[in-house]
Amino acid sequence: SQTIHQWPATLVQPVGSPLSLECTVEGTSNPNLYWYRQAAGRGLQLLFYSVGIGQISSEVPQNLSASRPQDRQFILSSKKLLLSDSGFYLCAQDSNTGELFFGEGSRLTVL
Amino acid sequence: GESVGLHLPTLSVQEGDNSIINCAYSNSASDYFIWYKQESGKGPQFIIDIRSNMDKRQGQRVTVLLNKTVKHLSLQIAATQPGDSAVYFCAEINAGKSTFGDGTTLTVKP
Repeated sequence: SQTIHQWPATLVQPVGSPLSLECTVEGTSNPNLYWYRQAAGRGLQLLFYSVGIGQISSEVPQNLSASRPQDRQFILSSKKLLLSDSGFYLCAQDSNTGELFFGEGSRLTVL
Repeated sequence: GESVGLHLPTLSVQEGDNSIINCAYSNSASDYFIWYKQESGKGPQFIIDIRSNMDKRQGQRVTVLLNKTVKHLSLQIAATQPGDSAVYFCAEINAGKSTFGDGTTLTVKP
């Protein structure tokens, strides 16, 4: 079964500071991995997806970037955070049927 | 489509009543549909799914209905309980790619 670990669970950062959110998955090799963002009380916005090491697709232009240095590791980064980067960030992997398994999320507050 | 910029619709029901949550999808080629439940502060979790060759599927206290003619999906929850309070998302899957519909916040009043 898929297990997805995200950390940190909660983060408070000042505007202009860097960001690194990490996601690691267990139980599957060569998974498709996703980063979603969810603003408070709002829907899910797909930010990035990756089909393999070093392969990143961006869905929306933004202040964030993603990297996949290892098969089971997916990292979301920013060099300089904006207030609008605040939100709940979810890492997910899919099954061969299309079902998504989500991590517990990382809540980012930019002040 | 994704309502990332809008406040989610809400549904408030009394404990014990039945709940119906609706979702419109956009791609007539989508062949698989999933309902997810997201509790506060957690990631969404799978509730029930349905394939495009079906129009109804039942689980434990939940039923999903699919109307391909009008591209509409609904989730029915029987005898709603306080633990059902959450945000519910539908997702349409086409060629393995998920597109999430507008979420609905369900509040169950005791």
